[in-house]
Amino acid sequence: NAGVTQTPKFRVLKTGQSMTLLCAQDMNHEYMYWYRQDPGMGLRLIHYSVGEGTTAKGEVPDGYNVSRLKKQNFLLGLESAAPSQTSVYFCASREAHRDTQYFGPGTRLTVL
Amino acid sequence: GEDVEQSLFLSVREGDSSVINCTYTDSSSTYLYWYKQEPGAGLQLLTYIFSNMDMKQDQRLTVLLNKKDKHLSLRIADTQTGDSAIYFCAETTVDSNYQLIWGAGTKLIIKP
Repeated sequence: NAGVTQTPKFRVLKTGQSMTLLCAQDMNHEYMYWYRQDPGMGLRLIHYSVGEGTTAKGEVPDGYNVSRLKKQNFLLGLESAAPSQTSVYFCASREAHRDTQYFGPGTRLTVL
Repeated sequence: GEDVEQSLFLSVREGDSSVINCTYTDSSSTYLYWYKQEPGAGLQLLTYIFSNMDMKQDQRLTVLLNKKDKHLSLRIADTQTGDSAIYFCAETTVDSNYQLIWGAGTKLIIKP
């Protein structure tokens, strides 16, 4: 039982490049989330999903897209990276009828 | 809107108790959480308390909730160097549709 895993752990992009971050969970959780963490701020919700095939916008969705084709995976895409997207990205998941979220180890993304 | 606030830093001597405080504004809180983030690592759920409880104890950790004052605290007894981390307070509320609302995190610094 690996919990929540994220790939890659680190990535450096040039402005305008695209990439996809992968989150996987093996706990059969319904809900999955993508957050970004910036210094001096709490985590901010980018997008979330309440089940396979469904996604919704969070607090800061602009510049990101997501997909949940399989229940265990939640992908975060950056189509045209910008320096403002330099951040640490965390994925989380939870069961449908419980509030507690479990987090992945994070992906540190730098956009030059 | 919802808001969760924490002091950014707390410095304590090894062996003393640490008390990390958090205030929140939304009275429709359901659960309140403490997450720990060690340097370069992901978020680890430390403990949580349901909003109709006043206190929860788990080994060296004591969580106190004052609903009237909308104040949450985390007490760590006999603070050790391994407790050095950033501690995030978070809540889920009815009004936020059970999304996590985060504080900015308190960095706990241990002095020898």
